Amino acid sequence: DTEVTQTPKHLVMGMTNKKSLKCEQHMGHRAMYWYKQKAKKPPELMFVYSYEKLSINESVPSRFSPECPNSSLLNLHLHALQPEDSALYLCASRGDRGPMNTEAFFGQGTRLTVV
Amino acid sequence: QQPVQSPQAVILREGEDAVINCSSSKALYSVHWYRQKHGEAPVFLMILLKGGEQKGHEKISASFNEKKQQSSLYLTASQLSYSGTYFCGTESLNSGGGADGLTFGKGTHLIIQP
Repeated sequence: DTEVTQTPKHLVMGMTNKKSLKCEQHMGHRAMYWYKQKAKKPPELMFVYSYEKLSINESVPSRFSPECPNSSLLNLHLHALQPEDSALYLCASRGDRGPMNTEAFFGQGTRLTVV
Repeated sequence: QQPVQSPQAVILREGEDAVINCSSSKALYSVHWYRQKHGEAPVFLMILLKGGEQKGHEKISASFNEKKQQSSLYLTASQLSYSGTYFCGTESLNSGGGADGLTFGKGTHLIIQP
């Protein structure tokens, strides 16, 4: 299994809602990532988890809250988002956070629209 | 720091060749190349590590010049399926010797016409 599975595929939420994005992989990868991608822009790194611990937070607003309950699962909790947060949210996983020549496997993403 | 990609866009006829460049002002450990089609996730093409090695896969190959901190992606005899946006992702080692995730260039939009 070389897949990274993200759910839901699409999400529409109001600015007062609380929702969560889910990402799952069963490749035994110990590094997991959240990226945000706006239309016609490159993916931007948000968070890095290594061995279920948050190692990098790229100055992301607190209305985004990541969680890594176990080595296979990564969540992104959303609360009080703004319309400008509408984007494609990509999850990726990788063998290790260390200097290894491993590729990052990307999920298909969750397309989020904030209304 | 975001790597710089060039050109921003390329239009080719099927069968023509293309070169996409990626450069960084920061010392790099690795360069990753991805292709993304509209509405889909990025798909991995190849990784290059410092050491100036060149890799290839069928008609797509790439090189990494460590001294210049530059990488180039070569698409030979392009096919319609090569259309999409190509991103280079770069990675440097942090003070702890770990790698902190990819920083992507702005992308090169490639259109292959029949």
